[in-house]
Amino acid sequence: SQTIHQWPATLVQPVGSPLSLECTVEGTSNPNLYWYRQAAGRGLQLLFYSVGIGQISSEVPQNLSASRPQDRQFILSSKKLLLSDSGFYLCAWRGVSLDTQYFGPGTRLTVL
Amino acid sequence: KNEVEQSPQNLTAQEGEFITINCSYSVGISALHWLQQHPGGGIVSLFMLSSGKKKHGRLIATINIQEKHSSLHITASHPRDSAVYICAVTGNQFYFGTGTSLTVIP
Repeated sequence: SQTIHQWPATLVQPVGSPLSLECTVEGTSNPNLYWYRQAAGRGLQLLFYSVGIGQISSEVPQNLSASRPQDRQFILSSKKLLLSDSGFYLCAWRGVSLDTQYFGPGTRLTVL
Repeated sequence: KNEVEQSPQNLTAQEGEFITINCSYSVGISALHWLQQHPGGGIVSLFMLSSGKKKHGRLIATINIQEKHSSLHITASHPRDSAVYICAVTGNQFYFGTGTSLTVIP
């Protein structure tokens, strides 16, 4: 069965510090991978998606970036965090049918 | 305007009540999803449907493609149903509603 791992589960970082969130998928190959952010009281916002190694599409301009160094690894990064980067970050992959999306457990990021 | 609108945003119910959460969408879709987000943040998929009605235990989801509307019903609600319920649709990409926060009081 397919499994998504995210780490860390929670993170508290000062403004201006770097960020690296990791997502890995098991049980599937060449998945479409997604990074979402859920700010407090708001819906899920698509940040990046990737259809393959090294292929990244950005949905929202911001100070975040994403990379896909391996088929089942998706990394969300920032060189300098802003207060507005606080939120709940979810990694997801899209099933073969393209109609189903599976979510990881998420990372709660607090920027102080 | 969001592609997916949910109502109500917040809902408090007494244990045992029948609950309805509504979702309207404005884009062409191939499927509609109801997701449940627990207080810890994890999201699980409850239903995926493209027509008609689906039932799973005390949960029922319906969709009207012509009206671009879906409802999630919870019968005999229980405190453990307390969560955020999110409607999402699959078009060119996934579009998410902002969620309905449900609190069921014992």
